[in-house]
Amino acid sequence: DAKTTQPNSMESNEEEPVHLPCNHSTISGTDYIHWYRQLPSQGPEYVIHGLTSNVNNRMASLAIAEDRKSSTLILHRATLRDAAVYYCILSKARNDYKLSFGAGTTVTVRA
Amino acid sequence: DAGVTQSPTHLIKTRGQHVTLRCSPISGHKSVSWYQQVLGQGPQFIFQYYEKEERGRGNFPDRFSARQFPNYSSELNVNALLLGDSALYLCASSLGASGTGNQPQHFGDGTRLSIL
Repeated sequence: DAKTTQPNSMESNEEEPVHLPCNHSTISGTDYIHWYRQLPSQGPEYVIHGLTSNVNNRMASLAIAEDRKSSTLILHRATLRDAAVYYCILSKARNDYKLSFGAGTTVTVRA
Repeated sequence: DAGVTQSPTHLIKTRGQHVTLRCSPISGHKSVSWYQQVLGQGPQFIFQYYEKEERGRGNFPDRFSARQFPNYSSELNVNALLLGDSALYLCASSLGASGTGNQPQHFGDGTRLSIL
């Protein structure tokens, strides 16, 4: 299975943007890039996903490199509620029911 | 609209016992997946069911089993509990059998299982 690489942790100040990088150099042409986050004592929460083009929704933006070997999740204005573990996951067409979670990036937001 | 609901929220069992965990998917979702999350790690895939049939199974022993009912709710059963089964068990639902990778999953807040 194609793997993703994320930094272990990142810190941000409240109301500043947060850019979370993810490397996926072995991505295949049909893999979607998904992001989930997990707040303390809760289940993972879907954030955003994309294939080739950049994507925006009410929670975040996803910027995908032209060669698709990396992507960046952008939280435009971090709030204390955005403190969570963020997971970058490749969803494969053959078995997209199976999400392979890594260790993720722990995001800390300073007031 | 209600999200994915799981019951119970917490459970304490002893070694050797069995346990049944329950999950109700989001209305209209026909696919249910189960994950195990040990403290400090990311969730690990256990099972996926779609239209009452098992579509996928992770690397878990036969002590773990599941089923899906006509209303798309699901049960996860674990027999002969071991101390290592202590974990957060998560249920996720999605619309259907996508097969494209273009389908997000929506998680419940899990059942915290503690084995004494």
